[in-house]
Amino acid sequence: DTGVSQNPRHKITKRGQNVTFRCDPISEHNRLYWYRQTLGQGPEFLTYFQNEAQLEKSRLLSDRFSAERPKGSFSTLEIQRTEQGDSAMYLCASSGLGLTEGYTFGSGTRLTVV
Amino acid sequence: DQQVKQNSPSLSVQEGRISILNCDYTNSMFDYFLWYKKYPAEGPTFLISISSIKDKNEDGRFTVFLNKSAKHLSLHIVPSQPGDSAVYFCAASAGVAAGNKLTFGGGTRVLVKP
Repeated sequence: DTGVSQNPRHKITKRGQNVTFRCDPISEHNRLYWYRQTLGQGPEFLTYFQNEAQLEKSRLLSDRFSAERPKGSFSTLEIQRTEQGDSAMYLCASSGLGLTEGYTFGSGTRLTVV
Repeated sequence: DQQVKQNSPSLSVQEGRISILNCDYTNSMFDYFLWYKKYPAEGPTFLISISSIKDKNEDGRFTVFLNKSAKHLSLHIVPSQPGDSAVYFCAASAGVAAGNKLTFGGGTRVLVKP
């Protein structure tokens, strides 16, 4: 297993366009998390899945954001009608049920909204 | 409200000396704490963790100390090496009941000078 994979690595989009990011977690991990990180800040929780069920969404996740994890495998994060404030690094992570070894993060998708 | 704080945005240390990174938290429900290291253009990498039932955990050059009464933890890196130059994030979790979500501090940038 090559770890957590995120695509694309970079995305530049015009304001108002929709974007979709993909995350492929470590195959034996049943939990998948999305975080957002802006410059000079730590990652902020957005949402998480246990298998295919989305169990929690942060209030940071406006109605323009939606995440899915069909069949408990890969996950997608879609942002509709992007705004300049959406510009950030979007990080995906996966883990087993415990935290002893923490999460394994992907390299992230850097979104720039122009 | 910032539940996890890293009050030192940066730290400079000579190679071979000790690096001490500090982290404070406010939420008494946090019972598991982690440290991550992040290089530019990469996702955070797990370093070390500690449960609230312990006050110290050691892994090679890295030791984490937890003071529950003060709601304070620290990471010691001994000896510091140039490859340790990165941004370090402290993170806390309220456990399985909270979905193992992590709340991150703002990070401390460490520069190890040869």
